[in-house]
Amino acid sequence: DAGVIQSPRHEVTEMGQEVTLRCKPISGHDYLFWYRQTMMRGLELLIYFNNNVPIDDSGMPEDRFSAKMPNASFSTLKIQPSEPRDSAVYFCASSSSLQGLNTEAFFGQGTRLTVV
Amino acid sequence: RKEVEQDPGPFNVPEGATVAFNCTYSNSASQSFFWYRQDCRKEPKLLMSVYSSGNEDGRFTAQLNRASQYISLLIRDSKLSDSATYLCVVNTGFQKLVFGTGTRLLVSP
Repeated sequence: DAGVIQSPRHEVTEMGQEVTLRCKPISGHDYLFWYRQTMMRGLELLIYFNNNVPIDDSGMPEDRFSAKMPNASFSTLKIQPSEPRDSAVYFCASSSSLQGLNTEAFFGQGTRLTVV
Repeated sequence: RKEVEQDPGPFNVPEGATVAFNCTYSNSASQSFFWYRQDCRKEPKLLMSVYSSGNEDGRFTAQLNRASQYISLLIRDSKLSDSATYLCVVNTGFQKLVFGTGTRLLVSP
């Protein structure tokens, strides 16, 4: 398996533009997580899905952020409009409930977003 | 109060030293616990799960104290390759994985 695949790897955009980050989880995994990592705040859970349904989006910072999972093999995180404070590394991760409580989350390589 | 708290470090130790990291969590209903490792500009990867009875994997020992809501990681005989950030992770329920901010370890020759 290729692992969790994220695109793009790097994104530089101007303030006010829409940004869409993409994620393909590991095949067969039923959980998908979106995290944001900054030096100041570490890894913050933004939202996670189970079987394509959002379970907890309490970490989404504000209405400018939205996430979708239209099917088991694809998810997007959208920021509209983007702001400089959104600059961070965004990670997608997936896991399988078949492993029970000690399930391992596998991460993609992340998308490094810079908003100027 | 943060859900998972760690000392950010850095911990600077010489090769061969023993070093310990601690982590506390706020949700007493948390179900499972882990240590992840993250190298610079890379994604986090699972180092080991943490069990109530304590568990060991080579030079690494993890322990959980549910009464004190406290998790630890001990690294013996540190290697240069152990230099990384170590992330404490808690499953707070329904597979929700909450990460601490990480503890940075620097092992020097």
